[in-house]
Amino acid sequence: ETGVTQTPRHLVMGMTNKKSLKCEQHLGHNAMYWYKQSAKKPLELMFVYNFKEQTENNSVPSRFSPECPNSSHLFLHLHTLQPEDSALYLCASSQEPRPYNEQFFGPGTRLTVL
Amino acid sequence: AQKITQTQPGMFVQEKEAVTLDCTYDTSDQSYGLFWYKQPSSGEMIFLIYQGSYDEQNATEGRYSLNFQKARKSANLVISASQLGDSAMYFCAMRPLSSNYKLTFGKGTLLTVNP
Repeated sequence: ETGVTQTPRHLVMGMTNKKSLKCEQHLGHNAMYWYKQSAKKPLELMFVYNFKEQTENNSVPSRFSPECPNSSHLFLHLHTLQPEDSALYLCASSQEPRPYNEQFFGPGTRLTVL
Repeated sequence: AQKITQTQPGMFVQEKEAVTLDCTYDTSDQSYGLFWYKQPSSGEMIFLIYQGSYDEQNATEGRYSLNFQKARKSANLVISASQLGDSAMYFCAMRPLSSNYKLTFGKGTLLTVNP
Protein backbone atom coordinates (compact mmCIF):
# COMPACT_ATOMS: atom_id res chain seq x y z
CA GLU A 1 0.00 0.00 0.00
CA THR A 2 1.19 3.50 -0.77
CA GLY A 3 -0.01 6.99 0.05
CA VAL A 4 -3.18 7.38 2.08
CA THR A 5 -5.78 4.62 2.15
CA GLN A 6 -9.33 4.74 3.45
CA THR A 7 -11.84 2.01 4.21
CA PRO A 8 -14.60 1.45 3.47
CA ARG A 9 -14.96 3.34 0.20
CA HIS A 10 -18.74 3.34 0.46
CA LEU A 11 -20.96 3.09 3.54
CA VAL A 12 -24.72 3.14 3.97
CA MET A 13 -26.01 3.31 7.51
CA GLY A 14 -29.19 3.99 9.42
CA MET A 15 -29.48 6.76 11.97
CA THR A 16 -29.23 4.32 14.88
CA ASN A 17 -26.17 2.45 13.63
CA LYS A 18 -22.60 2.75 14.89
CA LYS A 19 -19.82 2.52 12.33
CA SER A 20 -16.20 3.54 11.97
CA LEU A 21 -14.16 4.97 9.12
CA LYS A 22 -10.51 4.00 8.91
CA CYS A 23 -7.59 5.91 7.44
CA GLU A 24 -3.98 4.79 7.15
CA GLN A 25 -1.05 6.76 5.79
CA HIS A 26 2.11 5.09 4.50
CA LEU A 27 4.10 8.31 4.05
CA GLY A 28 5.76 8.63 7.45
CA HIS A 29 3.85 11.83 8.19
CA ASN A 30 3.08 13.03 11.68
CA ALA A 31 -0.17 14.94 11.13
CA MET A 32 -3.53 13.58 9.99
CA TYR A 33 -6.83 15.25 9.15
CA TRP A 34 -10.50 14.49 8.63
CA TYR A 35 -12.45 16.59 6.12
CA LYS A 36 -16.12 16.56 5.16
CA GLN A 37 -17.13 17.32 1.58
CA SER A 38 -20.82 17.97 1.02
CA ALA A 39 -22.38 18.72 -2.34
CA LYS A 40 -21.78 22.27 -3.56
CA LYS A 41 -19.86 23.27 -0.41
CA PRO A 42 -16.14 23.79 0.18
CA LEU A 43 -14.22 21.13 2.02
CA GLU A 44 -14.72 21.49 5.76
CA LEU A 45 -11.92 20.61 8.13
CA MET A 46 -13.27 18.50 10.99
CA PHE A 47 -10.30 17.34 13.05
CA VAL A 48 -6.52 17.67 13.10
CA TYR A 49 -4.13 15.33 14.87
CA ASN A 50 -0.48 16.21 15.23
CA PHE A 51 1.87 13.71 16.84
CA LYS A 52 -1.28 11.78 17.85
CA GLU A 53 -2.64 14.75 19.80
CA GLN A 54 -5.81 16.44 18.67
CA THR A 55 -4.94 20.05 17.88
CA GLU A 56 -8.16 21.19 16.26
CA ASN A 57 -11.84 20.37 16.45
CA ASN A 58 -13.85 22.61 14.19
CA SER A 59 -17.08 22.61 16.22
CA VAL A 60 -17.94 19.14 15.03
CA PRO A 61 -21.03 17.49 16.63
CA SER A 62 -20.27 14.85 19.23
CA ARG A 63 -21.85 12.15 17.07
CA PHE A 64 -18.47 12.20 15.26
CA SER A 65 -15.68 10.89 17.44
CA PRO A 66 -12.08 10.75 16.16
CA GLU A 67 -9.38 8.41 17.36
CA CYS A 68 -5.68 8.48 16.52
CA PRO A 69 -3.88 5.51 18.13
CA ASN A 70 -0.58 6.25 16.36
CA SER A 71 0.77 8.60 13.73
CA SER A 72 -0.17 6.24 10.89
CA HIS A 73 -3.78 5.49 11.72
CA LEU A 74 -6.84 7.65 12.12
CA PHE A 75 -10.41 6.59 12.79
CA LEU A 76 -13.71 8.41 12.71
CA HIS A 77 -16.36 6.74 14.87
CA LEU A 78 -19.93 7.47 13.86
CA HIS A 79 -23.08 7.08 15.93
CA THR A 80 -26.68 8.34 15.69
CA LEU A 81 -25.95 10.28 12.52
CA GLN A 82 -28.43 12.46 10.66
CA PRO A 83 -29.27 12.38 6.94
CA GLU A 84 -27.48 15.74 6.52
CA ASP A 85 -24.26 13.96 7.53
CA SER A 86 -24.29 12.16 4.18
CA ALA A 87 -21.13 13.30 2.41
CA LEU A 88 -17.69 12.31 1.20
CA TYR A 89 -15.29 12.01 4.14
CA LEU A 90 -11.69 12.58 3.22
CA CYS A 91 -8.62 11.77 5.26
CA ALA A 92 -5.32 13.56 4.67
CA SER A 93 -1.81 13.60 6.09
CA SER A 94 1.19 15.91 6.06
CA GLN A 95 4.60 16.35 7.63
CA GLU A 96 4.71 19.09 10.25
CA PRO A 97 5.84 21.55 11.31
CA ARG A 98 6.60 22.80 7.83
CA PRO A 99 4.14 25.58 7.06
CA TYR A 100 3.75 24.95 3.39
CA ASN A 101 3.83 21.24 2.99
CA GLU A 102 0.99 19.96 0.90
CA GLN A 103 -1.53 17.59 2.41
CA PHE A 104 -1.90 14.19 0.79
CA PHE A 105 -5.45 12.89 0.57
CA GLY A 106 -7.00 9.46 0.53
CA PRO A 107 -9.75 8.42 -1.89
CA GLY A 108 -12.50 9.14 0.63
CA THR A 109 -15.46 7.27 2.08
CA ARG A 110 -18.83 8.03 0.50
CA LEU A 111 -21.27 7.96 3.42
CA THR A 112 -25.05 7.76 3.03
CA VAL A 113 -27.24 8.07 6.12
CA LEU A 114 -30.78 6.78 5.69
CA ALA B 1 -10.65 34.96 8.57
CA GLN B 2 -9.36 33.38 5.41
CA LYS B 3 -11.41 33.11 2.24
CA ILE B 4 -10.92 31.56 -1.18
CA THR B 5 -13.14 32.53 -4.11
CA GLN B 6 -13.43 30.53 -7.32
CA THR B 7 -15.87 32.37 -9.55
CA GLN B 8 -16.17 29.76 -12.31
CA PRO B 9 -18.48 26.90 -11.32
CA GLY B 10 -17.77 25.22 -14.66
CA MET B 11 -15.36 25.60 -17.56
CA PHE B 12 -15.09 23.94 -20.97
CA VAL B 13 -11.95 23.63 -23.07
CA GLN B 14 -11.03 21.85 -26.27
CA GLU B 15 -8.44 19.13 -26.10
CA LYS B 16 -4.87 20.44 -26.64
CA GLU B 17 -5.83 24.02 -25.79
CA ALA B 18 -4.82 25.95 -22.68
CA VAL B 19 -7.26 26.94 -19.94
CA THR B 20 -7.07 29.29 -16.95
CA LEU B 21 -8.96 28.58 -13.73
CA ASP B 22 -9.46 31.63 -11.53
CA CYS B 23 -8.77 31.90 -7.82
CA THR B 24 -8.74 34.92 -5.54
CA TYR B 25 -8.00 34.86 -1.85
CA ASP B 26 -8.31 37.02 1.20
CA THR B 27 -6.05 36.94 4.22
CA SER B 28 -4.46 39.38 6.62
CA ASP B 29 -1.36 37.18 6.93
CA GLN B 30 1.77 38.27 5.11
CA SER B 31 3.12 34.75 4.93
CA TYR B 32 1.02 32.01 3.36
CA GLY B 33 0.99 29.16 0.87
CA LEU B 34 -1.36 28.63 -2.06
CA PHE B 35 -2.25 25.21 -3.42
CA TRP B 36 -4.21 23.71 -6.27
CA TYR B 37 -5.79 20.26 -6.06
CA LYS B 38 -7.54 18.15 -8.69
CA GLN B 39 -10.44 15.88 -7.76
CA PRO B 40 -11.52 13.33 -10.39
CA SER B 41 -14.88 11.63 -10.14
CA SER B 42 -13.21 8.89 -8.08
CA GLY B 43 -13.03 11.36 -5.18
CA GLU B 44 -9.33 11.51 -4.34
CA MET B 45 -7.81 14.97 -3.99
CA ILE B 46 -4.59 15.12 -5.99
CA PHE B 47 -2.04 17.83 -5.21
CA LEU B 48 -0.97 19.73 -8.35
CA ILE B 49 1.09 22.81 -7.51
CA TYR B 50 2.17 25.13 -4.71
CA GLN B 51 3.11 28.83 -4.53
CA GLY B 52 4.57 30.57 -1.51
CA SER B 53 3.65 34.17 -0.80
CA TYR B 54 7.31 35.23 -0.87
CA ASP B 55 8.18 33.30 -4.03
CA GLU B 56 9.16 35.79 -6.72
CA GLN B 57 8.69 33.41 -9.62
CA ASN B 58 5.47 31.73 -10.65
CA ALA B 59 5.39 28.04 -9.83
CA THR B 60 5.37 25.49 -12.63
CA GLU B 61 4.87 21.72 -12.60
CA GLY B 62 4.80 20.09 -15.99
CA ARG B 63 1.67 21.31 -17.81
CA TYR B 64 0.52 23.24 -14.73
CA SER B 65 1.59 26.77 -13.92
CA LEU B 66 0.35 29.21 -11.34
CA ASN B 67 -0.17 32.84 -12.34
CA PHE B 68 0.49 34.54 -9.00
CA GLN B 69 -0.41 38.23 -8.70
CA LYS B 70 0.15 39.13 -5.07
CA ALA B 71 -1.13 42.69 -5.21
CA ARG B 72 -4.40 41.46 -6.69
CA LYS B 73 -4.48 38.47 -4.35
CA SER B 74 -5.02 36.09 -7.21
CA ALA B 75 -3.50 32.67 -7.90
CA ASN B 76 -4.88 31.40 -11.19
CA LEU B 77 -4.07 27.90 -12.43
CA VAL B 78 -3.06 27.55 -16.07
CA ILE B 79 -3.26 24.13 -17.69
CA SER B 80 -1.52 23.92 -21.03
CA ALA B 81 -2.26 21.39 -23.78
CA SER B 82 -5.41 20.06 -22.09
CA GLN B 83 -6.03 16.33 -22.12
CA LEU B 84 -9.25 14.38 -21.71
CA GLY B 85 -7.96 13.12 -18.38
CA ASP B 86 -7.85 16.67 -17.08
CA SER B 87 -11.65 16.65 -16.77
CA ALA B 88 -12.23 16.98 -13.01
CA MET B 89 -13.03 19.39 -10.18
CA TYR B 90 -10.21 21.79 -9.37
CA PHE B 91 -9.84 23.37 -5.95
CA CYS B 92 -7.75 26.33 -4.90
CA ALA B 93 -6.63 26.34 -1.26
CA MET B 94 -4.65 28.57 1.07
CA ARG B 95 -2.73 28.01 4.27
CA PRO B 96 -1.55 31.08 6.19
CA LEU B 97 1.42 30.68 8.49
CA SER B 98 -0.81 31.41 11.47
CA SER B 99 -3.41 28.80 10.54
CA ASN B 100 -2.20 25.90 12.70
CA TYR B 101 -2.27 23.40 9.81
CA LYS B 102 -5.64 24.53 8.47
CA LEU B 103 -6.17 24.59 4.70
CA THR B 104 -9.04 26.77 3.48
CA PHE B 105 -10.57 25.60 0.22
CA GLY B 106 -12.64 27.30 -2.45
CA LYS B 107 -15.84 25.81 -3.83
CA GLY B 108 -14.08 24.47 -6.90
CA THR B 109 -14.36 24.66 -10.68
CA LEU B 110 -15.58 21.74 -12.77
CA LEU B 111 -13.40 21.50 -15.88
CA THR B 112 -14.62 19.54 -18.89
CA VAL B 113 -12.20 18.82 -21.71
CA ASN B 114 -13.94 18.19 -25.03
CA PRO B 115 -12.37 15.98 -27.73
